Amino acid sequence: KAGVTQTPRYLIKTRGQQVTLSCSPISGHRSVSWYQQTPGQGLQFLFEYFSETQRNKGNFPGRFSGRQFSNSRSEMNVSTLELGDSALYLCASSPGAPLREQYFGPGTRLTVT
Amino acid sequence: GENVEQHPSTLSVQEGDSAVIKCTYSDSASNYFPWYKQELGKRPQLIIDIRSNVGEKKDQRIAVTLNKTAKHFSLHITETQPEDSAVYFCAASGGGADGLTFGKGTHLIIQP
Repeated sequence: KAGVTQTPRYLIKTRGQQVTLSCSPISGHRSVSWYQQTPGQGLQFLFEYFSETQRNKGNFPGRFSGRQFSNSRSEMNVSTLELGDSALYLCASSPGAPLREQYFGPGTRLTVT
Repeated sequence: GENVEQHPSTLSVQEGDSAVIKCTYSDSASNYFPWYKQELGKRPQLIIDIRSNVGEKKDQRIAVTLNKTAKHFSLHITETQPEDSAVYFCAASGGGADGLTFGKGTHLIIQP
């Protein structure tokens, strides 16, 4: 099976702008989770979608949002970008419970200037 | 919410020796504990996982142990090789949702 794919791989944005990142999970996987990775905070959970519904949410401000489509593809959006939003954004797909294994995509490197 | 502590942050071992990385978690409802390996510039890769109904799991040179009572789990790598050098993350999840809470990571260095 093809792995998890993310687009774009790199982005440079300016403070105050908004950005949309895309994730295509492994075929047949219904759960998509998003994570932010930074050198200081490590890997932090943003939110999880299962069958188009947000099932779980991490401790991030409302500027971070997401959605999932009927084909399980997911997008996340960050509005009013801040310098501190510069990070590697990773998505992970999973078949869904009881099979919990999550497989990560290559990530989108977002730089906010 | 869940909190996962991971130690040590850096571990240097001689090639051929064993390495042990330890994690503790706070939420007794957590029931799934994966370990990921991340090489520089690459995505985290699932290397082994354990569920709360199992105490130990092995896969070749890698093993994971879980102590539910003490709420800690460990990764054991035997006969370490240069390609084992990477950052290793432990994680925990439970309660029906798949979102993972990660430890801060351990930078494993294999000395030749």
